[in-house]
Amino acid sequence: RKEVEQDPGPFNVPEGATVAFNCTYSNSASQSFFWYRQDCRKEPKLLMSVYSSGNEDGRFTAQLNRASQYISLLIRDSKLSDSATYLCVVNTLNDYKLSFGAGTTVTVRA
Amino acid sequence: GAVVSQHPSRVICKSGTSVKIECRSLDFQATTMFWYRQFPKQSLMLMATSNEGSKATYEQGVEKDKFLINHASLTLSTLTVTSAHPEDSSFYICSARAQPGGTDNEKLFFGSGTQLSVL
Repeated sequence: RKEVEQDPGPFNVPEGATVAFNCTYSNSASQSFFWYRQDCRKEPKLLMSVYSSGNEDGRFTAQLNRASQYISLLIRDSKLSDSATYLCVVNTLNDYKLSFGAGTTVTVRA
Repeated sequence: GAVVSQHPSRVICKSGTSVKIECRSLDFQATTMFWYRQFPKQSLMLMATSNEGSKATYEQGVEKDKFLINHASLTLSTLTVTSAHPEDSSFYICSARAQPGGTDNEKLFFGSGTQLSVL
């Protein structure tokens, strides 16, 4: 079983729509959780950390459910520039050896 | 924010040649650097962890004699793919962890990646 699993998508949504997707992780000892954004053949960029109580950053909302071992990302009022692959990233040992999901592709159309 | 410079961004080489990829932290000192590989439509897979002045720690299944890592200073780590073959064609990316303290306290920063194509 993979450490981090994501629905690959793609999620095709119109501008202004809301899109949400989840990521599950296998190790219950996981300590830190992140969402990264990766554009085609470029480096991942940190979108936001995910906190236990859930957190919001502008149009992006992240949630953590430790009991069910999943995290989620919700994008409101989608923009064309939100089109990217979103990577779920988990740090288990707090030693910065990150485990990456394969990514969820989001395409926002005009 | 901090910058990690990785080059070359793209390499095309013949089978059997060796390729060196450099990863530099430009405005901070990196105690630890990580090397990843990403195949199309797959996740980044950690290959090895390198600490300045010591031998790299390789993940299971990664051949240390094929993927040579040198981390001679706090700002530079290199990955050399020795005797590259077509199956080594992939996107290689490094990340660097800033030292504790300061505005970039232990944050991770990624290089821009190197697309290696072995013919």
